Amino acid sequence: DAGITQSPRHKVTETGTPVTLRCHQTENHRYMYWYRQDPGHGLRLIHYSYGVKDTDKGEVSDGYSVSRSKTEDFLLTLESATSSQTSVYFCAISRDRGSHYYGYTFGSGTRLTVV
Amino acid sequence: AQTVTQSQPEMSVQEAETVTLSCTYDTSENNYYLFWYKQPPSRQMILVIRQEAYKQQNATENRFSVNFQKAAKSFSLKISDSQLGDTAMYFCAFMIMGGSEKLVFGKGTKLTVNP
Repeated sequence: DAGITQSPRHKVTETGTPVTLRCHQTENHRYMYWYRQDPGHGLRLIHYSYGVKDTDKGEVSDGYSVSRSKTEDFLLTLESATSSQTSVYFCAISRDRGSHYYGYTFGSGTRLTVV
Repeated sequence: AQTVTQSQPEMSVQEAETVTLSCTYDTSENNYYLFWYKQPPSRQMILVIRQEAYKQQNATENRFSVNFQKAAKSFSLKISDSQLGDTAMYFCAFMIMGGSEKLVFGKGTKLTVNP
């Protein structure tokens, strides 16, 4: 869907290096999310944000940090990448309309390989 | 904690036939939403259909329909007249109303449509 972009689309990095993934939205949504997708695990929530500078942990947050200094940008940082963080990362925004929920719009994903 | 279970890791169907994907979930909440997402080989996550738990009528979207059984906590997806373009991973997901709008995903079912 238009309105949410992730960068980069692919990245290979070395163990121990810091990595930052970027998510940008143009639709002014309050809620933003970072998920990782691994075979046999589906999508698991890493961190989410409910406003500028308001973030919280998901179920697999160890080794990750996030920041949201502007409504439109949500950054995911791996402080010191490990091979277990090799995955596909998805950013998403929640398409709520008042009290009605229409699920998420997802970014196109980032395939991260840690070697 | 809410959980979503998809008991069929892989399924296959012949073109033009009908297939049903299973999903069960566990929650003590009464107000929630359920979703099916499709992920083709392009990796893009696409919303297929959504169901509001307080509505008894099953949702339908063209060839896609659900069988929502609230008491049994079951939410299966039926695809009629299967097409080659339906080949994808399918994820069932659950969201509680009024919270942080977090989606909890199942592990997915890989569907292959054979010509």
